[in-house]
Amino acid sequence: AQSVTQLGSHVSVSEGALVLLRCNYSSSVPPYLFWYVQYPNQGLQLLLKYTSAATLVKGINGFEAEFKKSETSFHLTKPSAHMSDAAEYFCAVSLSGTYKYIFGTGTRLKVLA
Amino acid sequence: DTEVTQTPKHLVMGMTNKKSLKCEQHMGHRAMYWYKQKAKKPPELMFVYSYEKLSINESVPSRFSPECPNSSLLNLHLHALQPEDSALYLCASSQDENIRNAPQHFGDGTRLSIL
Repeated sequence: AQSVTQLGSHVSVSEGALVLLRCNYSSSVPPYLFWYVQYPNQGLQLLLKYTSAATLVKGINGFEAEFKKSETSFHLTKPSAHMSDAAEYFCAVSLSGTYKYIFGTGTRLKVLA
Repeated sequence: DTEVTQTPKHLVMGMTNKKSLKCEQHMGHRAMYWYKQKAKKPPELMFVYSYEKLSINESVPSRFSPECPNSSLLNLHLHALQPEDSALYLCASSQDENIRNAPQHFGDGTRLSIL
C-alpha cells in the first residue's frame, strides 16, 4: 500500500536559515511525488513535482526537492527562509498517475524574525 | 489571483437547508475535482469529473451531490448535512486526469459551517 509520512508537524526556522521539510513515502510502483503549500484561507499551490524525470526538482519560490529512491524520500529544501514562507506544506504521492493523491499530514512552517 | 473561482467564500447553513457550492474555471481544463479539508488536516478527495462525466466518487454520502453542467462549471449540491460536514471545500481543475500534464489548480475554497 502507498503511504506518505511527513516528519515534524511543526518546524520553526530563523529568517535566512535553511528550510528542510521531510517526506518519506512507501510505494510498490514508481511514484509521482508532489509538494504543495497552503497559506491561511487559501487553496493549495503546487511547489514542485517529481514524475520520473530528473531526481533533483526545482520549484517555485526557490524551493527544490530531491527524489532518493534508496531512502524513499522526497525532502523539500530552500537555502534561505523568508517570512513569506510561513505556511502549511503537504507532501503527496499519486496513485496510478492520476490526481488521486495520498497526502501527508502536513508540516506547518514558522519563520522567526 | 486564483484561476479557479469558488463561491461563496463562506456559508453557514442549518441541517435541513439545501445549498450549493459553485466552482468555475476558464483555463480549458477538462478535469475538475472536489476536496474536503478539515482543520489541520490534508485535503480528502471527494469527486472527480473528467470531460463532464463523473470519474471518481470516493464513497461520499449522498447528502453531497456533484454536478458538472459544462466544462467550465462544477457544482456541489448540499442537503441535510451534519455538523461533522463543517469544513473547507476545495475545488481544483487540471488539463486532464494525467498527472504528467499541466499541474492542478486549486480555488481558495468555501468554508462551510453546519449549525
